[in-house]
Amino acid sequence: SQQGEEDPQALSIQEGENATMNCSYKTSINNLQWYRQNSGRGLVHLILIRSNEREKHSGRLRVTLDTSKKSSSLLITASRAADTASYFCAQTAAGNKLTFGGGTRVLVKP
Amino acid sequence: DAGITQSPRYKITETGRQVTLMCHQTWSHSYMFWYRQDLGHGLRLIYYSAAADITDKGEVPDGYVVSRSKTENFPLTLESATRSQTSVYFCASSGLTYNEQFFGPGTRLTVL
Repeated sequence: SQQGEEDPQALSIQEGENATMNCSYKTSINNLQWYRQNSGRGLVHLILIRSNEREKHSGRLRVTLDTSKKSSSLLITASRAADTASYFCAQTAAGNKLTFGGGTRVLVKP
Repeated sequence: DAGITQSPRYKITETGRQVTLMCHQTWSHSYMFWYRQDLGHGLRLIYYSAAADITDKGEVPDGYVVSRSKTENFPLTLESATRSQTSVYFCASSGLTYNEQFFGPGTRLTVL
């Protein structure tokens, strides 16, 4: 079973708009990671936020973490058609194992 | 080529047959992982390995066998394939504990 759930499951926006997706998890984490998956491809790491961090930026990406609510969000600003992909959060547990959420499918329309 | 590769990329087999999926990484990463991805389930961990000759079960290990005699290789074997094992399989590696994982391109397996 997955420890995390992502919301929404699917998101459709216009190019230039921001995209926000949320991730909830059930147990304590060491860190939380976000990955992107383009259709038919492997996952690509986007950003890692540690349990003692609250916000992290990387280019057009902003990730927040609220350990009291066991939740994280990923914001993609000024979206582009190339951002069309599925986005997954993953919690790191003992043994370096990742537990993935079900993902959010993002469609950016030109 | 540097990175993490998987072979074959596509495989069709029949119920009851043994199938081995290969994974090779060139970074000398300590950790390696096998996941399966099914619609509606995201990715689920099958097996992982912290180093050569050290493997452990993940969330869905039944019906699978792994070995890791060399750091760079982590083959996954389906001993007797079933239709429920039709899926896309991803191999990943990681150099450090609690660090990012690097994923291979995946193997799409169909069991008829």
